[in-house]
Amino acid sequence: DIPMTQSPSTLSASVGDTVTITCRASQSISSWLAWYQQKPGKAPKLLIYDASTLQSGVPSRFSGSGSGTEFTLTISSLQPDDFATYYCQHYNSYPWTFGQGTKVEIK
Amino acid sequence: QVQLQESGPGLVKPSETLSLTCSVSGGSISNSKWSWIRQSPGKGLEWIGYIYYIGDTNYNPSLESRVTISIDRSKNQFSLKLRSVTAADTAVYYCARHPYSNDWSYYFDYWGRGTLVTVSS
Repeated sequence: DIPMTQSPSTLSASVGDTVTITCRASQSISSWLAWYQQKPGKAPKLLIYDASTLQSGVPSRFSGSGSGTEFTLTISSLQPDDFATYYCQHYNSYPWTFGQGTKVEIK
Repeated sequence: QVQLQESGPGLVKPSETLSLTCSVSGGSISNSKWSWIRQSPGKGLEWIGYIYYIGDTNYNPSLESRVTISIDRSKNQFSLKLRSVTAADTAVYYCARHPYSNDWSYYFDYWGRGTLVTVSS
């Protein structure tokens, strides 16, 4: 298994802020990384795949970067709809694993 | 627009078999690979396994001895069976799709809404 570690676990921010979430893999996963957003009671929603490709329909304020073992998800100009929990997931090798999540809450 | 919907019992007794079905609409089940994922407070999101209609499957080694995923092309459905369940298998179970673009991708672009399965006597 390749454990995925996200930081921070919780992030307090205000509307309009720029926030960054980090995801680290225990070994290189090239660019085989996706980011998801999940709201309470809902399924995760795909935001970014292949580390930096924005899924169709996702606002451009979301961006992803990184390769190898360190990746970031950046949300520019945080909107009220963005308060949620975010997960990374690698798909470099079986079994695919997820980070433990980062909750973005209102400051 | 592809839609997925999980169905099955919400309560399963310990040592019995958890059985769930995912119904796919808006597209043929033969055109994609399909996964089961679960989410519990204790273990977070955990990939269970995937299937392709030709019989290609791959399971998480942590569950492989207890899991079977199968597909019914005539009904556009795929199913999950998890044997010998314990309280640790209590979770929200999701079905999800893997997209294809030049090659298979192993992130999940469409998800069902999820179904809570509780293991309890």
